[in-house]
Amino acid sequence: QITLKESGPTLLKPTQTLTLACSFSGFSLGTSGAGVGWIRQPPGRALEWLAFIYWDDEKRYSPSLKSRLTVTKDTSKNQVVLTMTNMDPVDTATYYCAHKVGLRGVNYMDVWGKGTTVTVSS
Amino acid sequence: DIVMTQSPDSLAVSLGERATINCKSSQSVLYTSNNKNYLGWYQQKPGQPPKLLISWASTRESGVPDRFSGSGSGTDFTLTISSLQAEDVAVYYCQQCYDRTYTFGQGTRLEIK
Repeated sequence: QITLKESGPTLLKPTQTLTLACSFSGFSLGTSGAGVGWIRQPPGRALEWLAFIYWDDEKRYSPSLKSRLTVTKDTSKNQVVLTMTNMDPVDTATYYCAHKVGLRGVNYMDVWGKGTTVTVSS
Repeated sequence: DIVMTQSPDSLAVSLGERATINCKSSQSVLYTSNNKNYLGWYQQKPGQPPKLLISWASTRESGVPDRFSGSGSGTDFTLTISSLQAEDVAVYYCQQCYDRTYTFGQGTRLEIK
């Protein structure tokens, strides 16, 4: 059974850096085809894809946020970390990590964490 | 970027009736090399994370009731719920996985009439 859980700060001030961890079980990022995605959802609004990290350490970022995002993995710890710099109140959202379907070239996200709410306010 | 546009934004359907949600992409999401549409549908119930319902535009995920079906190709796609149940109240999103922007539609809120 695949599970994922996001963790990190719930409140940040503008200009601070957000660091979120995604701890998972039931799969390994050392396995060919594996990947983890990050998605966010502002209150009452639509989903926005942020990033993917794959088993081979390839990383993909949303073009609109690429300059602010970094995603890393620790395969031995079954953990992925997302960093977003220069946070702004518009970045207030629920942040989700999700398991990517374990096939190369397939980027659907079939298991999601429950999400963690991040508020940016002075 | 590929823009995904859903219609309608919200929809109210009676229990047992058919619900239809449309999704249009600004460019084709059909890979001609493998004849696959890189289009998924997600369901998000209140207070829950999204759930993948359908991949490849029409392939139901394991455990998804067969009243859910997906259709379409190229730029125009449809999610159909053949007989609405109370537990289907949710916001539904389409997402393209054709290019590396992985954009979602704005969502369609489905309610009971």
